[in-house]
This record gives sequence, C-alpha cells and structure tokens, in this order.
Amino acid sequence: QSVLTQPASVSGSPGQSITISCSGTSSDIGRYNYVSWYQQHPGQAPKLLIYDVNLPSGVSGRFSGSKSDNTAYLTISGLQAEDEADYFCSSYTTINTLVFGGGTQLTVL
Amino acid sequence: QVQLQESGPGLVKPSHTLSLTCTVSGDSITSGDFYWNWIRQPPGKGLEWIGNIYYNGNTNYNPSLRSRLTISLDMSKNQFSLRLTSATAADTAVYYCAIQGAAVRGAPLDVWGQGTTVTVSS
Repeated sequence: QSVLTQPASVSGSPGQSITISCSGTSSDIGRYNYVSWYQQHPGQAPKLLIYDVNLPSGVSGRFSGSKSDNTAYLTISGLQAEDEADYFCSSYTTINTLVFGGGTQLTVL
Repeated sequence: QVQLQESGPGLVKPSHTLSLTCTVSGDSITSGDFYWNWIRQPPGKGLEWIGNIYYNGNTNYNPSLRSRLTISLDMSKNQFSLRLTSATAADTAVYYCAIQGAAVRGAPLDVWGQGTTVTVSS
C-alpha cells in the first residue's frame, strides 16, 4: 500500500486538460513544498517532470504543479498522444525519507 | 551530466541476500553534491523508495526495510551498493539508482539509472 494516494487512472481527449491528485498528510505534502512528479513510459525509467512548481529544462510548459494543504496536483494542458504514461507523485517527509504515490495511468483517448 | 548504471544478479534465491551496485560516472560520489538513492518497482506496481547515502556515509532508510537493508559507498570504484538480507518473493522488482541534489532538503530524484530486474525465486 502506497503512502500517498493517487487515482489509479485518468483519461482525456487530445487538446483537453486533466488533473491528477496526490493526497498525503501533514507529515509529508502538508509540511513541505517538496512534492515531485515523475512520468514513466512503459519499459522506461521514471523521468522527473516537476519539482514543487518548477519544471526541469526540456519539460513542456503544458505541465504544471500545485498544492493545497495535504494534496498536490499535476495538471496537463493540451493533452497529446505522447503524454500517455504512468505518473507518480513523491514527497519528502518529516523523518528524512521519500514517499511515493501508487501511480496514475493516463490514457489519451 | 551524471550517469548511473545498475548491476547485479538477476536471480536471487529466497532467504539469500540481494546485492546490487550502482556505478556513477560524471561526478565523484565523494563530492558532496548528491544523495545517492535506491528505488524499486515490483512488476505492475508503483515505486517504493528504499533509501539513500551521502558522501560521509550518513544513510536514510525506508522504515519498512531498515532491519534488512544496508547501503554503502565504494569510493575506490565510484560506486554505491545495496544489500537486502533474507530476500523473499516480495523483493522481486526493477531496482533503480538515482541522484538527489544535496543543496536543498527534499530535492527531487532528477537523474535515474535504467534499472535492473531482480527476481527472487528458487
């Protein structure tokens, strides 16, 4: 059982926007602005997508992150076929560990 | 640019010790620039953070694995390693090594190895 809670799946049509939630507690997401999101295509290693509200170089501006209390959100705007992948959230915790969500499978219809 | 490569046995017998190595290129593991992490992913499941180590040997471990886990550095080979004792089928997973910048607490895992598959079976 994962520490952070994500929906198992979301879907959207090309051009639409979708949002994936990631729920934690006051000991992780709610305590720090240290939430990361990772994208994983089948058979590949995860790739950093967003850290807090920051996008690493090379990551499309169609991806954005936000947080409210103990829940973080990943929004993808202008959905493209290449966005179809698994998405994982992660947070730093008060005991100097990292925790992950169970992952959300995004289907582009 | 730091690059990471995992290596180790692909098959481990139950109750034996699972040992993996991550070879680092592009930086020295003694530089103090990064925390050196291990993460795993069971087949068809999500990611699980295993633990990390800093250049001075300080470690942070997943509480659920702490009693079986050792992460160490080999400075002469610029590698860091994972040892997980008393392996069971539940330890079957793809194991990744990854770096986390040391300048900011809670920094993301921004470079990953390609992963290595370990199966625990007799």
